[in-house]
Amino acid sequence: NAGVTQTPKFRILKIGQSMTLQCTQDMNHNYMYWYRQDPGMGLKLIYYSVGAGITDKGEVPNGYNVSRSTTEDFPLRLELAAPSQTSVYFCASRIRGTQETQYFGPGTRLLVL
Amino acid sequence: RKEVEQDPGPFNVPEGATVAFNCTYSNSASQSFFWYRQDCRKEPKLLMSVYSSGNEDGRFTAQLNRASQYISLLIRDSKLSDSATYLCVPEGAAGNKLTFGGGTRVLVKP
Repeated sequence: NAGVTQTPKFRILKIGQSMTLQCTQDMNHNYMYWYRQDPGMGLKLIYYSVGAGITDKGEVPNGYNVSRSTTEDFPLRLELAAPSQTSVYFCASRIRGTQETQYFGPGTRLLVL
Repeated sequence: RKEVEQDPGPFNVPEGATVAFNCTYSNSASQSFFWYRQDCRKEPKLLMSVYSSGNEDGRFTAQLNRASQYISLLIRDSKLSDSATYLCVPEGAAGNKLTFGGGTRVLVKP
């Protein structure tokens, strides 16, 4: 199993550009999550999904969109990149049920100039 | 009150010493708790799960105090490689997401 994979590893965007951060998991997990982590700060939940076709907002959803058409994939879309979106983005997945831990991807570093 | 509160540190620890730090949580219904370790610029990785009063794994001991709503992590015989940020994570009320604390930074020095 590859676990949770994210692409790209690093990207530089100009203000106003758009991009999609890809996240795939091969563990058949129901739940998937997107977080951002600014330098020296904690993880903030952007969006999450409890299954294909179901998504919900987290704590900081503004400026982002997600979709979940399959169990495996949970892409994060930035439509109009802003410098405030410079951050490290982590995708994570978890199987449904209590007492289940969460597995993270290696992260995507995004710089918006 | 924040859902999860942790002392950000850093805790400067001599190699070989013991360090302990707490995490307080606000949701009294949380049943499961996790400690994650995050190295600089890397993804968080699970260190330990806590489902009852505590757990021990080698040099690491977690203790849960439900009455006071805090969970602690103790590291014995600290190694240089223990330098990291430790994230406290109680399970959310609905059970469908975890709430991550801001983390406690630990620096182990020779």
